[in-house]
Amino acid sequence: DGGITQSPKYLFRKEGQNVTLSCEQNLNHDAMYWYRQDPGQGLRLIYYSQIVNDFQKGDIAEGYSVSREKKESFPLTVTSAQKNPTAFYLCASSNRLLNQPQHFGDGTRLSIL
Amino acid sequence: GESVGLHLPTLSVQEGDNSIINCAYSNSASDYFIWYKQESGKGPQFIIDIRSNMDKRQGQRVTVLLNKTVKHLSLQIAATQPGDSAVYFCAENLKTSYDKVIFGPGTSLSVIP
Repeated sequence: DGGITQSPKYLFRKEGQNVTLSCEQNLNHDAMYWYRQDPGQGLRLIYYSQIVNDFQKGDIAEGYSVSREKKESFPLTVTSAQKNPTAFYLCASSNRLLNQPQHFGDGTRLSIL
Repeated sequence: GESVGLHLPTLSVQEGDNSIINCAYSNSASDYFIWYKQESGKGPQFIIDIRSNMDKRQGQRVTVLLNKTVKHLSLQIAATQPGDSAVYFCAENLKTSYDKVIFGPGTSLSVIP
């Protein structure tokens, strides 16, 4: 089955530590996205990538970094500079044709130890 | 500063009744709209979409209505079932240098058996 796989499902971060969230898709989508979801709020865009080896900051990129070395993969690193990292992180991908919905993974819940 | 918890709007319906979930979107230049369903601990799942040149679209048990005059979107679910209990998000797609998707905060639907 085609889809988006995020791992791990739960992740704990210690003070001063960087952690990396994995996102892999086999939908052959060019575009990939990372969102942050906080309780009672809409999804906020962290980073997006429209093509391999290229990515752009979203609305809340500070304290995060990404890479896009392969079409299938778009890992997100939450750095120690992100002072409030506790949230539910969602990865999505989409076809770059006109007006296509984004498809989401099942998320990673990040908490602080 | 003090943070204030946000509470999702909640809709409770009896099993078998019809549900109507409403959404106000923000940008008159948005040309594509999507409804997503999110179950607890999972990522958003695509339900139905509509383009700005339409005012109604029907799927299986779901109908989306678009009123561009007042920037309003609604999702109607016929014969609501317990499995429909979830948070429902509307999203608007604004064409910029990329597919900028703006998500609403969501409505929590609770189905009473």
